[in-house]
Amino acid sequence: DILLTQSPPSLSASVGDRVTITCRASLGIATYLSWFQQKPGKAPKSLIYGASHLQSGVPSRFSGSGAGTEFTLTITGLQPEDFATYYCQQYNTYPYTFGQGTNLDIK
Amino acid sequence: QITLRESGPTLVKPTQTLTLTCTFSGFSLSSSGVGVGWIRQPPGKALEWLALIYWNDDERYRPSLKNRLTIAKDTSKNQVVLTMTNMDPVDTATYYCAHESYSYTVGYHFDSWGQGTLVTVSS
Repeated sequence: DILLTQSPPSLSASVGDRVTITCRASLGIATYLSWFQQKPGKAPKSLIYGASHLQSGVPSRFSGSGAGTEFTLTITGLQPEDFATYYCQQYNTYPYTFGQGTNLDIK
Repeated sequence: QITLRESGPTLVKPTQTLTLTCTFSGFSLSSSGVGVGWIRQPPGKALEWLALIYWNDDERYRPSLKNRLTIAKDTSKNQVVLTMTNMDPVDTATYYCAHESYSYTVGYHFDSWGQGTLVTVSS
């Protein structure tokens, strides 16, 4: 299985900050990587697919980059509704795998 | 607009078989480039992919659970059913179904999720 390692596991930030979350894959996955946002008690919400493609309806302050084994999710200008847990997921190879999550909370 | 909704028992006993149904709207599972998958999340833990079924009847399973899982589709009812045999307390989790769509440049990817259903395994 392809292991996805997210860093940091948790992050404290303030409204208006720019934050970056990293996802590293144990094997190259081209750009077959998605990012999801999950709030407590809610289903994951798709933010980014294909490493850098913004899902329809997702604010442009979210952006993704990377290819191969290293990927980043950047939020520029944090809003109160952005405090949540973020997961990366690879769909290059079965079984699909997810990172362990990054919990973003308010400083 | 794509919507998915999971349904099934909230409580099952150890060794029983779990049957979950994903009822969807806004797309057809007979259309090219479409898949529906199941993902679970134990309380306080990360997401875990379980299985997928595609428009062309291709089925994919998590290898470690392959002998316990079956996924099937009923295109006339717009439903996908997941069965998991020999349930154990470690299978306690919220189970989600999700729509997978395809594009040539980025491949298949999950874009819409159901709200999830919590299944507790306990005697």
